[in-house]
Amino acid sequence: AQSVTQLGSHVSVSEGALVLLRCNYSSSVPPYLFWYVQYPNQGLQLLLKYTSAATLVKGINGFEAEFKKSETSFHLTKPSAHMSDAAEYFCAVSVRINAGGTSYGKLTFGQGTILTVHP
Amino acid sequence: DSGVTQTPKHLITATGQRVTLRCSPRSGDLSVYWYQQSLDQGLQFLIQYYNGEERAKGNILERFSAQQFPDLHSELNLSSLELGDSALYFCASSAGTGGSQPQHFGDGTRLSIL
Repeated sequence: AQSVTQLGSHVSVSEGALVLLRCNYSSSVPPYLFWYVQYPNQGLQLLLKYTSAATLVKGINGFEAEFKKSETSFHLTKPSAHMSDAAEYFCAVSVRINAGGTSYGKLTFGQGTILTVHP
Repeated sequence: DSGVTQTPKHLITATGQRVTLRCSPRSGDLSVYWYQQSLDQGLQFLIQYYNGEERAKGNILERFSAQQFPDLHSELNLSSLELGDSALYFCASSAGTGGSQPQHFGDGTRLSIL
């Protein structure tokens, strides 16, 4: 079974500072990894995805994440925080499951990290 | 705009009642997923449909059921509602059966049980 651990339920940074949101995963098969962002009263929006191509993945809004297999990590970074980045961020791992002659992708989310940006 | 439409946005009802949540997937997407989001449980996967057939089940209670119709829209039925069912319910869709394809989420239905 796969799982995701997001270190730090709350992260606070100053505007212009580096954003680092940590994510570690556990999976018995090669995973696909995603970061989503959720703004208040909205659904989850895809930030970026890792699907076994380049290990450094660039996403929307200046975010990027690096897949490190040896560390089972997929940390999310942004060089300079903006006030509009304040939101909750979710790391998720997906694996293909074969069952009963069919297959599907099982997506498991971390508990989320709330990012606060101070002026 | 993700292209996934959920209605209604808010639902307020009482314990013991039954409600239906509706989801229209992005154009071209064949899979629909349902999730429950609450403060104590986080985001929990409930069920997935692919092209009208149930494909995967997660932590879905027996009081809950879902279906996907020929036009690919989906409905989640919640019955004998309890206070603990109060949560945000999200629908997501993807082109295939999942895995490497990202899921695209609607804005959710906020269910409040009084």
